[in-house]
Amino acid sequence: EVQLVESGGGLVQPGGSLRLSCAASEFTFNTYAMSWVRQAPGKGLEWVSAISGSGGNTYYADSVKGRFTISRDNSKNTLYLQMNSLRAEDTALYYCAKANYYGSGDYYYWFDPWGQGTLVTVSS
Amino acid sequence: IQLTQSPSFLSASVGDRVTITCRASQGISSYLAWIQQKPGNAPKLLIYAASTLQSGVPSRFSGSGSGTEFTLTISSLQPEDFATYYCQQLNSYPYSFGQGTKLELK
Repeated sequence: EVQLVESGGGLVQPGGSLRLSCAASEFTFNTYAMSWVRQAPGKGLEWVSAISGSGGNTYYADSVKGRFTISRDNSKNTLYLQMNSLRAEDTALYYCAKANYYGSGDYYYWFDPWGQGTLVTVSS
Repeated sequence: IQLTQSPSFLSASVGDRVTITCRASQGISSYLAWIQQKPGNAPKLLIYAASTLQSGVPSRFSGSGSGTEFTLTISSLQPEDFATYYCQQLNSYPYSFGQGTKLELK
């Protein structure tokens, strides 16, 4: 069964840094793009960042561009999110998700599964 | 690309047929997914490519639409269906979600 397990969340002061990890298992990790999605307490889902299977292409939401960096280590089947210059509004549960796809030429994508999330709290 | 769901809240009874609408600010072909989330749980994929049912999802769930207007229909509500539903566009980065529709028991 495909499994994603996030870790690395915690309490950090405004302006601080944190690195999240997402350990993947039971699929060929380097052939799938991955994403981070966050959910502030009591709020909806917000897409944060994505990375291609090789790691050569990365994408960010405007709200985190220049502060967050997504990366992956395909030898360790692990996805990362380096978060710098953290703000109170970054407080959220952070999920990683596997981007499945099908098609030829134009691909249809979808996120499945999702991990259980890791909580990041930015507060003094 | 902005996604607007309607309604944001929906009160219904077991056995009801319900429909949630998702409108995109620009055309996204069929690059849309529907996601269910229950309190305290991770999101769960229901439908992708606008109308393809994810394996293991009950057939009472169905999706339709393309371009800018999409619908999620639950043909006969079951007690386990009371949750929050989100649409998500995967047409282009940055990917985005609708604001969610909370389905509550009447």
